[in-house]
Amino acid sequence: DVKVTQSSRYLVKRTGEKVFLECVQDMDHENMFWYRQDPGLGLRLIYFSYDVKMKEKGDIPEGYSVSREKKERFSLILESASTNQTSMYLCASSLPDRVRQPQHFGDGTRLSIL
Amino acid sequence: KNEVEQSPQNLTAQEGEFITINCSYSVGISALHWLQQHPGGGIVSLFMLSSGKKKHGRLIATINIQEKHSSLHITASHPRDSAVYICGVGTSYDKVIFGPGTSLSVIP
Repeated sequence: DVKVTQSSRYLVKRTGEKVFLECVQDMDHENMFWYRQDPGLGLRLIYFSYDVKMKEKGDIPEGYSVSREKKERFSLILESASTNQTSMYLCASSLPDRVRQPQHFGDGTRLSIL
Repeated sequence: KNEVEQSPQNLTAQEGEFITINCSYSVGISALHWLQQHPGGGIVSLFMLSSGKKKHGRLIATINIQEKHSSLHITASHPRDSAVYICGVGTSYDKVIFGPGTSLSVIP
């Protein structure tokens, strides 16, 4: 089974801090994704990566950056955390066809910015 | 108008009831995904379909391409089916758009 592991289930940070969320997958998937999930808004794509060092902005990339130095690891960075970034963050991975292949999700990180 | 809509938003059912969750979309699609999210956050892929119907245990997913509509049915519902069910549309422009989810609670 595919395993997608996110480094923290819960995280509390202060405004202005630089925050790193880490995600690791063990199935050699080319695609990796970062989403945020807010009540009533569903899953919204922040960034997508289709290969090492390759990335593509999603629907809401403002205030975020990503890093993919190794195929199995995809990091989401909040450069200067703000309270409106309090949310559930979910990482996912998939085979190359991101539309016709299922995405495999991690358990999520519930991030609170105080 | 959102590109992917789900109804109902919330649903409470008695154990054993037949449940239907609906997904409608306004974009051209290549595939449609149904996901399940249990309390605590983890999301599991249930189905991917591009036509017709798929069945897995007590779960059935159908899609009508002409009407731009999909349904997820749960037969003989059980409290362990309580979760958020999310519809995701794999669009013809190489992007997946997710609906807001339907929160299901099955009461014993």
